[in-house]
Amino acid sequence: DIQLTQSPSSLSASVGDRVTFTCQATQDINNFLNWYQQKPGRAPKLLIYDASNLEAGVPSRFSGTGSGTDFTLTISDVQPEDIATYFCQQYDNVPLMYTFGQGTKLEIK
Amino acid sequence: QVQLQESGPGLVKPSETLSLTCTVSGGSVTAYYWSWIRQPPGKGLEWIGYIFHSGTTNFSPSLKSRVSISIDTSKKQISLKLTSVTAADTAVYYCARDSGITAALGYMDVWGLGTTVTVSS
Repeated sequence: DIQLTQSPSSLSASVGDRVTFTCQATQDINNFLNWYQQKPGRAPKLLIYDASNLEAGVPSRFSGTGSGTDFTLTISDVQPEDIATYFCQQYDNVPLMYTFGQGTKLEIK
Repeated sequence: QVQLQESGPGLVKPSETLSLTCTVSGGSVTAYYWSWIRQPPGKGLEWIGYIFHSGTTNFSPSLKSRVSISIDTSKKQISLKLTSVTAADTAVYYCARDSGITAALGYMDVWGLGTTVTVSS
């Protein structure tokens, strides 16, 4: 089974900073990597799909890159409302199953 | 706009069966893949399993022996059953929809608010 490892486990940043989260897969997953934002007490929200595509309504300060085994999520200008835990997720098509990374918690200094 | 609402008992006794329902409003259940995902307190997300409207399912290998998922298209409800629960099954349980129509795209664009289930005697 494919595993996803996210780093760091937590991150502290100041408003206006540029921050990067990483997600590494144990084998090549092409670009089938998605990112979610989960604010405290809320359900996850899709941010980026297929590694680099911004979901409708998501601010353009969020961006994703990568393919194969290494992926990044970047917030170019951190805002207070970005306080959340960010999860990466991949899927296998046959049979269909989904795997999440363990998450990276973003805190604001 | 499609909305999902999970419902079910908030407290289940050890060794009993956890039963939850996800009700879909504002959209169809047909042609979509519906998943259950859970999140233990303070931990990450764990995919439990999915069902397609045709009844096709697949489950996480770690839960496969205890899980079943069913769908009632007339009621627009997706149901989860997890047998022989222990304290380790205490979690917030979410239902979510894969974005793809007929074919899964691998990402979930609609989530329910989640429902908290505690396993305790």
